Formats: sequence, structure tokens, C-alpha cells
Amino acid sequence: RKEVEQDPGPFNVPEGATVAFNCTYSNSASQSFFWYRQDCRKEPKLLMSVYSSGNEDGRFTAQLNRASQYISLLIRDSKLSDSATYLCVVRGGSQGNLIFGKGTKLSVKP
Amino acid sequence: SQTIHQWPATLVQPVGSPLSLECTVEGTSNPNLYWYRQAAGRGLQLLFYSVGIGQISSEVPQNLSASRPQDRQFILSSKKLLLSDSGFYLCAWGRTGGFEGYTFGSGTRLTVV
Repeated sequence: RKEVEQDPGPFNVPEGATVAFNCTYSNSASQSFFWYRQDCRKEPKLLMSVYSSGNEDGRFTAQLNRASQYISLLIRDSKLSDSATYLCVVRGGSQGNLIFGKGTKLSVKP
Repeated sequence: SQTIHQWPATLVQPVGSPLSLECTVEGTSNPNLYWYRQAAGRGLQLLFYSVGIGQISSEVPQNLSASRPQDRQFILSSKKLLLSDSGFYLCAWGRTGGFEGYTFGSGTRLTVV
């Protein structure tokens, strides 16, 4: 089982749609969780941390289920500018380094 | 505020040539430093990380090496590049003992021809 697995995508959605990304991780001892956004040919940038109680930042909602080792990201009222690849990230490994999923590409169409 | 600089932005190198990519961080001290590679259509692969000057840990055996000659400087090198070394190389920093995410530099796109 891969350490961090994500929906393969791509997701093609119209503007205004709600889109959900899912992610599972294999190491139950993982300590912290993040969603990153990566635009084409650019570096990944931190979108938001994911807390056990769930957290929201504007149109973005992240949730964590430690029992199921499952992380999600919900984007409401999607915009053209949301088009990017979304990376699920888990702090784990032998040294507590960040482990990245392969990402899910989102294309928001007019 | 903290900033991370990485250069060059793009590089085209022949097979068998040497490589040196540099990364520097400003505005913080004793950062943890990381080199990642992202091959075309693939995820980020951690290559090296460093928790202090002269301390390098390798995650994957490679045709590459890393060095940390100064607290906020991290260098990725190769003596002889292979075609398979092509990719997007990203330097990142994180706080020692922190639980936050990493901040990435803008990356170097390396094409080995």
C-alpha cells in the first residue's frame, strides 16, 4: 500500500460546482496533515493544514478521520482560478518528513 | 519574513556533465532543508534532507549528492548526469521540531540531453 494515495483524477467541473478530493494514508502514527496546491510548472504551495476537528477557510473545507486514515478537501463554488493539482500531504516516515501524494488535477471550466 | 531562493530556474545539461543546484533561506536560523524531485507526471520524491550544517540524510540512492556548507545553504550536486536525472527539482525548508508544512523554492527544471 502506498503511503499516501489520492483520487487519480483529473476532475473536470463547471464553474460554481462543488468538488471533493479524497486521500488515504497508511501510517497510523502520522502526526500532521496538509493540502498543497500546485499550479502547472510551479512549486507546491500550502493551501491549508488539516485538523482533527475539521477546518474551513472560505470556500475550502478540510476533514480528517484518523480512525479510517482518511483526509478530504471540499471546494465549494469553484472558480476558474481553482484549476490546479491538489496534493495530499502527511507528516510521517521514519524521520517525520512530509510525504506527498501524487496529486489530483482539477480543471474548472467556464 | 522567511524567503527561500533557488536557482537556476531552468537548466539543460548534456549526459555526463556535472550539476550544482543551490538553495538559500533567509529570515530564519537552523532550518530543516529538503531536496525533492518531481519527474514528469509523477509525485514528489524526497531525495535528501538536512537538520544542520554538514548533516545530510539520503532517502533514495541516487546519482546525486547534497551538501550543507552553511546553516541556510543547501546544494544538490552530481558528478555525471544521466538522462533519468531530468525533472523538476525543488528545495524546501521547515522549522526544526515544527509541525507546520514546508515552504518550497520556485524550483529548477532540469533537462538532461
